[in-house]
Amino acid sequence: AQTVTQSQPEMSVQEAETVTLSCTYDTSESDYYLFWYKQPPSRQMILVIRQEAYKQQNATENRFSVNFQKAAKSFSLKISDSQLGDAAMYFCAYHNNDMRFGAGTRLTVKP
Amino acid sequence: ETGVTQTPRHLVMGMTNKKSLKCEQHLGHNAMYWYKQSAKKPLELMFVYSLEERVENNSVPSRFSPECPNSSHLFLHLHTLQPEDSALYLCASSQVVAGGLNTGELFFGEGSRLTVL
Repeated sequence: AQTVTQSQPEMSVQEAETVTLSCTYDTSESDYYLFWYKQPPSRQMILVIRQEAYKQQNATENRFSVNFQKAAKSFSLKISDSQLGDAAMYFCAYHNNDMRFGAGTRLTVKP
Repeated sequence: ETGVTQTPRHLVMGMTNKKSLKCEQHLGHNAMYWYKQSAKKPLELMFVYSLEERVENNSVPSRFSPECPNSSHLFLHLHTLQPEDSALYLCASSQVVAGGLNTGELFFGEGSRLTVL
């Protein structure tokens, strides 16, 4: 079974600084998708960024970028120029036939 | 109007009550999901409906009963729940294309916070 591990239950970053959230996964598949979802307090979960496993180039969405290491089965999220609105739970997810989520990392942004 | 709407947002019920959670999606998707979110645990997939047919159950206790009358609506009927069932229940939808690997991108509602006394 595919599992997704987020080793950092909580992280903290100073406003305007950069933070990296870690994620590793286990799979025997070569073709799959990886996601980072953001869940703000009392608000719905939204997609932050997506990576196709067959693409070597790391995905980027404005201040959000990933470091995808397929051989190491690692998929970290880097948030640059952190803003107060980035404070949320962040979930890493793996999809092949179904979606598997990690336990989440709670990110706090300090003003 | 959000793409996926869940009601009620909060629900408190006793162990002998019968209640239902409702989910509606306005995105034209053909698959809908129920997830259970408990603190410090990965999201647990409970049920999947694709083209209005249930395709996955994941050994959920029978006190949870899903219903999908059409591709836009999904219900979760609750009866004789236990305190450990207290959690945030998330509904999600996606567009599934037959054949090949789908992206799997999910669109979530805001969740229904359930407390079982």
